[in-house]
Amino acid sequence: GNSVTQMEGPVTLSEEAFLTINCTYTATGYPSLFWYVQYPGEGLQLLLKATKADDKGSNKGFEATYRKETTSFHLEKGSVQVSDSAVYFCALSGTGANNLFFGTGTRLTVIP
Amino acid sequence: EAGVAQSPRYKIIEKRQSVAFWCNPISGHATLYWYQQILGQGPKLLIQFQNNGVVDDSQLPKDRFSAERLKGVDSTLKIQPAKLEDSAVYLCASSWDRGVSEAFFGQGTRLTVV
Repeated sequence: GNSVTQMEGPVTLSEEAFLTINCTYTATGYPSLFWYVQYPGEGLQLLLKATKADDKGSNKGFEATYRKETTSFHLEKGSVQVSDSAVYFCALSGTGANNLFFGTGTRLTVIP
Repeated sequence: EAGVAQSPRYKIIEKRQSVAFWCNPISGHATLYWYQQILGQGPKLLIQFQNNGVVDDSQLPKDRFSAERLKGVDSTLKIQPAKLEDSAVYLCASSWDRGVSEAFFGQGTRLTVV
């Protein structure tokens, strides 16, 4: 079946530090992969996505590369800001499916 | 454009009571989803509508949960009777079509069952 395993949090970083949040997946076929973000008091928002192997999704300085050989989609950012403090969810959508399977979420806190 | 609207934002009820949540999707979005997010877990799909028809309700506990989407616009999710384990955030999302990657989420309704 489809599942997502996400790095447990919480993660606390100083401003301008490098961020990595690990995500690995299990899926049949060729899933699409996503990172969603939930800022305090707001709904889930799509941060970035990749629909096939070796694709790189990017947005707001965040990047993630679809690695089929390691079944991973790790989220990275070179220099985090206080405004990046949020909960980050890795998710996948299986081949031909319309449902998103979410990881458990990782809470990031960036301190000045 | 206006986002997905949900109400109420918070609800506290006693077990065995009933509760209903309301969702107004983004105008023109044909697909509507209800997700349950238990504390410390990722969202889990409960039901998916395409216009006013159900596409997937395989994870909906049908003995106590029901949902409808009259006229293919607004939707309500009901729990009757509620159990303690139903305490969660209930998220509504909508998208133009069945491409779930472009779904837009509401802020959710936080339900506490005591």
